[in-house]
Amino acid sequence: KQEVTQIPAALSVPEGENLVLNCSFTDSAIYNLQWFRQDPGKGLTSLLLIQSSQREQTSGRLNASLDKSSGRSTLYIAASQPGDSATYLCAVGDSSYKLIFGSGTRLLVRP
Amino acid sequence: EPEVTQTPSHQVTQMGQEVILRCVPISNHLYFYWYRQILGQKVEFLVSFYNNEISEKSEIFDDQFSVERPDGSNFTLKIRSTKLEDSAMYFCASSSMPYETVKAYNEQFFGPGTRLTVL
Repeated sequence: KQEVTQIPAALSVPEGENLVLNCSFTDSAIYNLQWFRQDPGKGLTSLLLIQSSQREQTSGRLNASLDKSSGRSTLYIAASQPGDSATYLCAVGDSSYKLIFGSGTRLLVRP
Repeated sequence: EPEVTQTPSHQVTQMGQEVILRCVPISNHLYFYWYRQILGQKVEFLVSFYNNEISEKSEIFDDQFSVERPDGSNFTLKIRSTKLEDSAMYFCASSSMPYETVKAYNEQFFGPGTRLTVL
């Protein structure tokens, strides 16, 4: 059974810092991996989708990498801003297209 | 930009009552999903729906749950007899998957959620 783990659970950084969020999964037979942002009491906003055949994907200040063989993905946020404060969720897509989520990393960027 | 919408945003009901949560997926999408998130817990998959039938369901999705696409735009989740433990945020999602060869492109887009409170 696929298990997705995210560390750290929470992170507080000063504005401007570059940071890395980690995601690991137990079964490397994934179809894709998706990173989401969730603001308190709100829905999930898709940030990046990495296909199983890709190694990384970039969008603006965000860069996500995927290493299927080791069961890891990282989300790199460059030059963090207070508006980046949110919970970041990693989810892996399996053969039936459903997403299996991690518990998330709660990020606070201090002005 | 197209988005998934959900109604109502908040639903309060008494235990044992039936509730219907409504979703309008992105118009050209073919796959539809329901997930839920109990407060403080992970987002959990409930059910996926394609070509007017359930593709997969989790063990949470028991006989009390059902899904329907009553017309060309709506996608509903019905809980027949709500329990206290059904209290959660329910998210609808949709994705476009027209061809088997591009299954890796299954980016899912989520709605804002319906907060269900069962008293």
